[in-house]
Amino acid sequence: EAEVAQSPRYKITEKSQAVAFWCDPISGHATLYWYRQILGQGPELLVQFQDESVVDDSQLPKDRFSAERLKGVDSTLKIQPAELGDSAMYLCASSLDVYQETQYFGPGTRLLVL
Amino acid sequence: AQSVAQPEDQVNVAEGNPLTVKCTYSVSGNPYLFWYVQYPNRGLQFLLKYITGDNLVKGSYGFEAEFNKSQTSFHLKKPSALVSDSALYFCAVSFGGYNKLIFGAGTRLAVHP
Repeated sequence: EAEVAQSPRYKITEKSQAVAFWCDPISGHATLYWYRQILGQGPELLVQFQDESVVDDSQLPKDRFSAERLKGVDSTLKIQPAELGDSAMYLCASSLDVYQETQYFGPGTRLLVL
Repeated sequence: AQSVAQPEDQVNVAEGNPLTVKCTYSVSGNPYLFWYVQYPNRGLQFLLKYITGDNLVKGSYGFEAEFNKSQTSFHLKKPSALVSDSALYFCAVSFGGYNKLIFGAGTRLAVHP
């Protein structure tokens, strides 16, 4: 069964450092999502791609976060500089397309900022 | 504003008993409703969804959910709980053209032997 791949699974960094997360969606999925899940809360959408284009980044803190999906396949989410409040689980998901399709999630990257 | 509420932080049930995890939503227009399950330090696993049609939706691992438009609810159910069902359950709603999911805060299900 095809799965969404994410790396690393765990990341510990110091505040003010740069950190990057990678996601490889299920093959053939045009839509890719990055979510942030703070402990005790549900995931919150940060950014959504349709192929290589951003269709929603309204909740992405653009002063420190950036995301790209250059060839419309895998994607990278970057934080620079990291802050203590960025400690969370970062989840990547993908779906066949954008219209009411089921989103399938990867295992996530747990980030701890010290 | 669009929102999803899961009124119970935790649900406790004995193994073999039926379980219900509650979800209500507030969305303008026709909602698309989902249930996901999350095990410790793992991503979310899709359980089931309601798009249209029959109000009773069957999903993975024996779970089902009932869409009730008048009560704006989408409760998750299972006739006989297993200890292995113990996990964190999230209800989510999608609306609009871009399939954006709004999640509830989650309900922790504890099934006791």
